[in-house]
Amino acid sequence: DIQMTQSPSSLSASVGDRVTISCRASQSISRYLNWYQHKPGKAPKLLIFAASSLQSGVPSRFSGSGSGTDFTLTISSLQPEDFATYYCQQSYSTPWTFGQGTKVEIK
Amino acid sequence: EVQLVESGGGVVQPGGSLRLSCSAAGFPFHNYTMHWVRHAPGKGLEWVSLISWNGASRFYEDSVRVRFTISRDNSKNSLFLQMNSLRTDDTAFYYCAKDKETGGGSYFFDAWGQGALVTVSS
Repeated sequence: DIQMTQSPSSLSASVGDRVTISCRASQSISRYLNWYQHKPGKAPKLLIFAASSLQSGVPSRFSGSGSGTDFTLTISSLQPEDFATYYCQQSYSTPWTFGQGTKVEIK
Repeated sequence: EVQLVESGGGVVQPGGSLRLSCSAAGFPFHNYTMHWVRHAPGKGLEWVSLISWNGASRFYEDSVRVRFTISRDNSKNSLFLQMNSLRTDDTAFYYCAKDKETGGGSYFFDAWGQGALVTVSS
């Protein structure tokens, strides 16, 4: 199985801050990497697919980069509605695995 | 608008069974691979199972492979997960999720339901 490791596990940030979350795969997954946002009690939401493609309807302050084993999700200017847990997920091979999540909290 | 609504969650004793259902609307259900993903308390998301658009291909995460069965009824826009021999570590919210691409699938998820809570406890 491909292991996905996110860092940090949690972070505190203020509205307007630039936030960067990292995701590392245990083997090369090319650009088969996706990012989700999950708020308590709500359905997870696809933000970024294929490492850097923005899902329709997602604000442009979200961006993704990387290939191979190292990937990054960036929120250019954190908004109040962005406080949530973020997960990366590889779609390279079964089982399709997620990172452990990064919780973004209000400073 | 895509809508996915899970039902059938509840409390069950270890060793028991439960059947989850997912009702889909707002897209051509019969064209899409569908998935189940779960979220256990205090843990991350975990992919559980997928079924291809025509039901011909099914895949499972190792820990559920011989205990869970995924199925679908395209005439009723419905997805199912039959869960047998349930264990305490199966306790989680179970989400029905739509694959982003038609046909063979892309193996990532562009629409999710609100989740059904399954609690396995004596």
